[in-house]
Amino acid sequence: AQKITQTQPGMFVQEKEAVTLDCTYDTSDPSYGLFWYKQPSSGEMIFLIYQGSYDQQNATEGRYSLNFQKARKSANLVISASQLGDSAMYFCAMREENYGGATNKLIFGTGTLLAVQP
Amino acid sequence: ETGVTQSPTHLIKTRGQQVTLRCSSQSGHNTVSWYQQALGQGPQFIFQYYREEENGRGNFPPRFSGLQFPNYSSELNVNALELDDSALYLCASSLVVAGQETQYFGPGTRLLVL
Repeated sequence: AQKITQTQPGMFVQEKEAVTLDCTYDTSDPSYGLFWYKQPSSGEMIFLIYQGSYDQQNATEGRYSLNFQKARKSANLVISASQLGDSAMYFCAMREENYGGATNKLIFGTGTLLAVQP
Repeated sequence: ETGVTQSPTHLIKTRGQQVTLRCSSQSGHNTVSWYQQALGQGPQFIFQYYREEENGRGNFPPRFSGLQFPNYSSELNVNALELDDSALYLCASSLVVAGQETQYFGPGTRLLVL
């Protein structure tokens, strides 16, 4: 069964520093996608970054990058130059990639609460 | 802004009642998914609708049901509410192209069952 593990319940980082949020996953499918979402206290899940299992390069989106280590089954999120507005819950999620119209459900981890300190 | 809206934002019901939550998808998105997020947990997949048909279901009982309309808006209905149904309910719309899609979430509806 697919599973996402986030072992850091909470993290502190100083403003302007970089921070890495850990995510490991388990799947037997060769084709899958990995996502990171940010959830502020308002509740909305905000899409940050996507990595496909066959992508050769690590995904980057502005200050966000995904450190994808396929052999270790890890997909850590790196946030560079942290800002106060980055304080939120961060969720790692996985989805099987499929082409047969099957369900594209996301499986989420339990999240990491990031607090950016001035 | 994801273009996905949900209503109501908050709701209080009593055990045994029924509730309908609504979601308006991003324009052009043909797929909507619903998730339940209990306090302190990650979202759990309830079901997904694709072109008005249920396209997969998570481990939720039949009293959780849904509809998707031709304009791609959708509803989540929960009958016989239980205390454990108290949660944040999130809908996500997406456009599936060649098996690839990113789900964009609405702000959620916070349901409290007393």
